[in-house]
Amino acid sequence: GDSVTQMEGPVTLSEEAFLTINCTYTATGYPSLFWYVQYPGEGLQLLLKATKADDKGSNKGFEATYRKETTSFHLEKGSVQVSDSAVYFCALSRGSTLGRLYFGRGTQLTVWP
Amino acid sequence: DARVTQTPRHKVTEMGQEVTMRCQPILGHNTVFWYRQTMMQGLELLAYFRNRAPLDDSGMPKDRFSAEMPDATLATLKIQPSEPRDSAVYFCASGLLGESTDTQYFGPGTRLTVL
Repeated sequence: GDSVTQMEGPVTLSEEAFLTINCTYTATGYPSLFWYVQYPGEGLQLLLKATKADDKGSNKGFEATYRKETTSFHLEKGSVQVSDSAVYFCALSRGSTLGRLYFGRGTQLTVWP
Repeated sequence: DARVTQTPRHKVTEMGQEVTMRCQPILGHNTVFWYRQTMMQGLELLAYFRNRAPLDDSGMPKDRFSAEMPDATLATLKIQPSEPRDSAVYFCASGLLGESTDTQYFGPGTRLTVL
């Protein structure tokens, strides 16, 4: 079945460090891929998305590229800030029919000043 | 700024009691999802609706959980009777099928504690 595996946290970085959070997926067909972010006490917010192979999603300095050959969608940011501290979820949905999301377990990121 | 709203934000109840959680999707959205978040299972889908009709409720324990959409502006999730293992954060999300962004917008969640 469809599933997402992302690196376990927690991840602790100093401000301005480079961030990578790995995400791989298993799915039939051509899923859409997402990164969501959850700040303490809040719901999930869409961070970025990609709907087909080789697409790059980007937002707020974060980027992720849909790699079909490696079934991956790794999240990267060149210089993290304290305000980026949150839980990050990788997710997929089948195609673009606004169906259910399959989530990874989440990665807690803490950035120290 | 349109948002999904959920009530209550927090609920503490005793085992055996009925719990009702409510969600107001973003106006005009035709798809509503209910997810549950726990430390053990992570985020899992309970049920979702399109144009108020249930499309998938396979993730929901049928004997005690029920989800409905009485109208387009309200979705409800009920647990009767509640059990301690139901303690979790319940999220509602909504989206608009046909919109190119294919995005689900999440509410702030209801944190349920069953004693």
